[in-house]
Amino acid sequence: DVKVTQSSRYLVKRTGEKVFLECVQDMDHENMFWYRQDPGLGLRLIYFSYDVKMKEKGDIPEGYSVSREKKERFSLILESASTNQTSMYLCASGFIMGPNYGYTFGSGTRLTVV
Amino acid sequence: GQNIDQPTEMTATEGAIVQINCTYQTSGFNGLFWYQQHAGEAPTFLSYNVLDGLEEKGRFSSFLSRSKGYSYLLLKELQMKDSASYLCARWEAAGNKLTFGGGTRVLVKP
Repeated sequence: DVKVTQSSRYLVKRTGEKVFLECVQDMDHENMFWYRQDPGLGLRLIYFSYDVKMKEKGDIPEGYSVSREKKERFSLILESASTNQTSMYLCASGFIMGPNYGYTFGSGTRLTVV
Repeated sequence: GQNIDQPTEMTATEGAIVQINCTYQTSGFNGLFWYQQHAGEAPTFLSYNVLDGLEEKGRFSSFLSRSKGYSYLLLKELQMKDSASYLCARWEAAGNKLTFGGGTRVLVKP
């Protein structure tokens, strides 16, 4: 089975801190995605990447950046955490040419910024 | 976003059938996913449609009409464990982008 692992299940950070959320997949997928999920707003795409060192902005990239130095790892960075970034963050990965196999999600990181 | 619309909530009785509709913007569209998400858990893949028509997988079926920008997920013989959110997601190959609707929360009652 494909495994997408997010480093932390729960995180509490202070306003202004730099926060790193890590995601690792073990199936050699090209595509990786970062979403946040908020009640009433669904899953919103923050950033995605289809190759090492490549990144594309999603629908809500403001206040975030990403890093993909290795194919299996996609990091989401909150440069200066703010309370409106309190959310559930979900990472997903999949093949470019095989979307019929679906994209696999990690278990999520629930981030609270105080 | 990509204007993906689905109802917010639906309620149905155990053993019944429920149909969850999803409409989306057609430009750049390449395929349509359905995911199931139980409370507090990650979404799990249910189906993927790229051609028009109905795809059946056990109690769950998914339909796509590309020209109408319309899909539905059909859940038959509802069970209590089917109480979850169902997420419609649009895939755009050109940008390798997967965009989700707000999700439909389905509550199955005894």
